[in-house]
Amino acid sequence: QSALTQPRSVSGSPGQSVTISCTGTSSDVGGYNYVSWYQQYPGEAPKLMIYHVSKRPSGVPDRFSGSKSGNTASLTISGLQAEDEADYYCCSYSGSYTVLFGGGTKLTVL
Amino acid sequence: QLQLQESGPGLVKPSETLSLTCTVSGGSISSSTYYWGWIRQPPGKGLEWIGSFYYSGTTYYNPSLKSRVTISGDTSKTQFSLKLSSVTAADTAVYYCARGSPTIKFGVVIIRPDLDSWGLGTLVTVSS
Repeated sequence: QSALTQPRSVSGSPGQSVTISCTGTSSDVGGYNYVSWYQQYPGEAPKLMIYHVSKRPSGVPDRFSGSKSGNTASLTISGLQAEDEADYYCCSYSGSYTVLFGGGTKLTVL
Repeated sequence: QLQLQESGPGLVKPSETLSLTCTVSGGSISSSTYYWGWIRQPPGKGLEWIGSFYYSGTTYYNPSLKSRVTISGDTSKTQFSLKLSSVTAADTAVYYCARGSPTIKFGVVIIRPDLDSWGLGTLVTVSS
C-alpha cells in the first residue's frame, strides 16, 4: 500500500481560496466515500476537519469543504485566514480493514 | 469530555519491544459505537496508521507493520495498548492514540478514517 498523494505545499493570500488534492486509487479514495481531512499545527495532535468526503464535525468553520471526483479527493478552504496556516492530511479507508494517510500538505498563508 | 493519554517509555533499544498504553477518561472502550486506534508520525514526516482495536476484541493492522504489531484493550481499566516488536531507528516517532467511528455493513466492521479525538502524543526514540 502506498500513501495517498498530496502536493507538498500550497499557498494563498488572506481572503482567497485554496484547494488541496488527495489522489489515490479505485481501491481506496475512489472505492469508498470514507475520506477524511485533518489539520495539524506544529507540535500538536491532528484535528478532524472533514469526514465522509464532505461532512464537517461540529465547530469546524464552513469555510472548509470537501469533495471527491473519481480517485481524487479535495479540501477547499475559502476566505483564507492566517490561522489556517498548518499541515493538512487526507485519509481514506482502503479496504481490507485498513486506513491510508496522505503525505501531507503544508499550507502557507502569504 | 473524552480525553486520551498516551504513556510509556520514551526510549527503546533497537531490537526490543516498544510498549505504549492509552488511558481513556470520559468514555468507554467497550462501546460498539467507536473503535480505538494508534497512529504515528516520525519527526518531520507524515502520519501513518498503525492499527485499531474494536470492543469485540477484533484488531486491524497496517499490513506493513502487521508482523510486529499487537493492539489490545483492557475494558476494566479503560485502556488499550500497543506493542511493536523488533524496533529499529525507523520506528522513532510521535505515537498517538485516537478514537474513531466504524460503520457496520452486512455484519462487516469498516474502519472509517474519522478519528475525532486524539491524545497529545508521546515521542518514542529508538536508540542504543
